[in-house]
Amino acid sequence: KQEVTQIPAALSVPEGENLVLNCSFTDSAIYNLQWFRQDPGKGLTSLLLIQSSQREQTSGRLNASLDKSSGRSTLYIAASQPGDSATYLCAVTDQAGTALIFGKGTTLSVSS
Amino acid sequence: KAGVTQTPRYLIKTRGQQVTLSCSPISGHRSVSWYQQTPGQGLQFLFEYFSETQRNKGNFPGRFSGRQFSNSRSEMNVSTLELGDSALYLCASSILAGVNTGELFFGEGSRLTVL
Repeated sequence: KQEVTQIPAALSVPEGENLVLNCSFTDSAIYNLQWFRQDPGKGLTSLLLIQSSQREQTSGRLNASLDKSSGRSTLYIAASQPGDSATYLCAVTDQAGTALIFGKGTTLSVSS
Repeated sequence: KAGVTQTPRYLIKTRGQQVTLSCSPISGHRSVSWYQQTPGQGLQFLFEYFSETQRNKGNFPGRFSGRQFSNSRSEMNVSTLELGDSALYLCASSILAGVNTGELFFGEGSRLTVL
């Protein structure tokens, strides 16, 4: 059974700092991996989608990497801003495409 | 382009009642998935519909059901509500069937409180 773990559960950084969020999964037979952002009481916003054949994806200040063999993904946020404060969730899909399996998320707080 | 729309946004029910939640996907999207989010269990997959057919179902009791209409709008129903059904219910849409075919777009969710 696929399990997704995100460490740390919470992270506080000062504005301007570069940071890395971690995601690990137990079954490397994934089809793709997505990073989402969730603001309090809101839905999810897709940030980056990495297909299993890809190693990384970039969007603005965000860069996500994927290492299937080790079952790990990282989300790198450059020059963090207070507006980046949110919960970041990673999710993987199995090769059957049955469902997204989510981690519990990392809650990020960026102070000005 | 309008996003995924979920109604109602908030609702309060009592144990034993039933509830129906609605989801309108992005125009042109034919797949709708439903997820339950609770503080303890996180996000869990409920079911996916494509072209009015349920393609996949998560590990939830039969009290949880859904359907999809010809215009791709979807509804989910929870009968005989229990306290543990209190959660944020999220709907997601995508162009194609299956969560491995591309990006999912989520709505703002319907927050259900069961008293």
